[in-house]
Amino acid sequence: GENVEQHPSTLSVQEGDSAVIKCTYSDSASNYFPWYKQELGKRPQLIIDIRSNVGEKKDQRIAVTLNKTAKHFSLHITETQPEDSAVYFCASPSGSARQLTFGSGTQLTVLP
Amino acid sequence: EAGVAQSPRYKIIEKRQSVAFWCNPISGHATLYWYQQILGQGPKLLIQFQNNGVVDDSQLPKDRFSAERLKGVDSTLKIQPAKLEDSAVYLCASSITTGLSEQYFGPGTRLTVT
Repeated sequence: GENVEQHPSTLSVQEGDSAVIKCTYSDSASNYFPWYKQELGKRPQLIIDIRSNVGEKKDQRIAVTLNKTAKHFSLHITETQPEDSAVYFCASPSGSARQLTFGSGTQLTVLP
Repeated sequence: EAGVAQSPRYKIIEKRQSVAFWCNPISGHATLYWYQQILGQGPKLLIQFQNNGVVDDSQLPKDRFSAERLKGVDSTLKIQPAKLEDSAVYLCASSITTGLSEQYFGPGTRLTVT
């Protein structure tokens, strides 16, 4: 099955700085790469996703880049704010039903 | 639109007891997922339904876990008998269809097995 590795597991940044989280995947047929944000005690929510026909997608302070050759994709958050503090999960689909395999998560802490 | 509903929100049981969780997906969503999220880990797919049919249940421990979605809408997940390692948050999610569509998660049921 699909193997999704996510790094780092924890990340602390100063407010206003940028944060980068990276994921690698193993299934070369994967073609959809979502990122979910999960605040403490709450449900995961989709914040951005990218499909394999593009290399980068931006939405205000959030961007995702994809390198299909190297099988990795990254989440970039610029001008971080305290409300960005949460656990972020990457995911990648595999199998006949394209079920999502999630990474192990990155705890992002934005220090004021 | 109303989100994915789950109940109960919390459940504490002793090992070897049984428990059932309920999920009501977003109206019109054909695909329903049950995930297990152990503390400090990402969600792990247990079972995926497309309407009332099972699409994938390869990671469902079938000796103790069962799930159904009889009318293609609500779903229940049951554990019988529970083990200590089943302590986790059980998340239900739904999407319009399978594949490249956003999954909307419910609030989850936090299960503690003592």
